[in-house]
Amino acid sequence: NAGVTQTPKFRVLKTGQSMTLLCAQDMNHEYMYWYRQDPGMGLRLIHYSVGEGTTAKGEVPDGYNVSRLKKQNFLLGLESAAPSQTSVYFCASSYAAPGLASGQYFGPGTRLTVL
Amino acid sequence: DAKTTQPPSMDCAEGRAANLPCNHSTISGNEYVYWYRQIHSQGPQYIIHGLKNNETNEMASLIITEDRKSSTLILPHATLRDTAVYYCIVRVEGDGNNRKLIWGLGTSLAVNP
Repeated sequence: NAGVTQTPKFRVLKTGQSMTLLCAQDMNHEYMYWYRQDPGMGLRLIHYSVGEGTTAKGEVPDGYNVSRLKKQNFLLGLESAAPSQTSVYFCASSYAAPGLASGQYFGPGTRLTVL
Repeated sequence: DAKTTQPPSMDCAEGRAANLPCNHSTISGNEYVYWYRQIHSQGPQYIIHGLKNNETNEMASLIITEDRKSSTLILPHATLRDTAVYYCIVRVEGDGNNRKLIWGLGTSLAVNP
């Protein structure tokens, strides 16, 4: 099993450009998540999905959109990138909801710089 | 929702046991304790979770006090590759499917040769 994979690993954007981050998992997990991690701060949840075709907002959803058209994929989009979105982005998946007896499994991250 | 308190940093000698404490004095009766770690520049890695009983897996042991107000993650024979930030999480917001883990800053463990 590859687990959770993310593409791309690195990206540099100019302000105003758009891009899509792809997350894929091969564990047949229902739940998927997008987090961002900034220096000196804990992981913050951007958006999440509780199953194919569903999405929901997390703590910091502004400036991002997501889609879960297939169970194994979860896409994070930036329509008009801003320097404040410079961060490391992590995707994760789990078979049960957070707070229940299930760990979350993370991808390797995407390092995004917005100039 | 329960909050956690962890020391910001710890040191451990290679080959010795690393005992990482976590206080969660406001934990509710049905809240699990989760431990994750994050090695530099990598994604977080799930380690273990528990509710009331002590738990052990191939990575670590989790000791939860009887009153559940604190727990300890034990790495029995720490190696240099165990150098990482360790997160103890009990705080969950929301209900039903809309639950979210709340991450703190964790403990930075340095395993020294």
